[in-house]
Amino acid sequence: GESVGLHLPTLSVQEGDNSIINCAYSNSASDYFIWYKQESGKGPQFIIDIRSNMDKRQGQRVTVLLNKTVKHLSLQIAATQPGDSAVYFCVPEDNYGQNFVFGPGTRLSVLP
Amino acid sequence: KAGVTQTPRYLIKTRGQQVTLSCSPISGHRSVSWYQQTPGQGLQFLFEYFSETQRNKGNFPGRFSGRQFSNSRSEMNVSTLELGDSALYLCASSAEGGVASPLHFGNGTRLTVT
Repeated sequence: GESVGLHLPTLSVQEGDNSIINCAYSNSASDYFIWYKQESGKGPQFIIDIRSNMDKRQGQRVTVLLNKTVKHLSLQIAATQPGDSAVYFCVPEDNYGQNFVFGPGTRLSVLP
Repeated sequence: KAGVTQTPRYLIKTRGQQVTLSCSPISGHRSVSWYQQTPGQGLQFLFEYFSETQRNKGNFPGRFSGRQFSNSRSEMNVSTLELGDSALYLCASSAEGGVASPLHFGNGTRLTVT
């Protein structure tokens, strides 16, 4: 049959603005979440993680928010830079079971 | 610490051939996982090795196999190559393996099957 490309949500932001990338998960038992960034031609790179006993964690220019009630995460990038252009993946812990499933990711494009 | 190293970086093979890809994990990491990444299917898990034993396996045909050596280095092999095997193959290592431990990825081997 015909091969259909993976639908990748995209987000375009102006350089210097803040970016918010959202992620929904399905398993309410998930208790550990990791964000990865994949730049063109490179493997995914670990950005930040968060455990379910927290609802917010901050790194350098990045903040992850976790809302377990609605099973939603967001990754906030402050003062977005051209080097932030990449595909971002969120991976819940249950995805580290038998199948290690990554979703399609979100493509972030930073406009000059 | 040196990162995850994958060799070769690029590879071109013909249908029906077989190929072996190599991965050196971060020093001290005992878990090595392999992934296939294509535009159509995204990142798909192939298998994971921990202390020389295959611990998890994804949904790929038996043509895809792997192994891990006592120094944690890993190889994956694809036999009887098909055009659809063209992809970026990524290796990742982690300290504990699996649950609650981030994966550290290499930059992959780009395999083209003609």
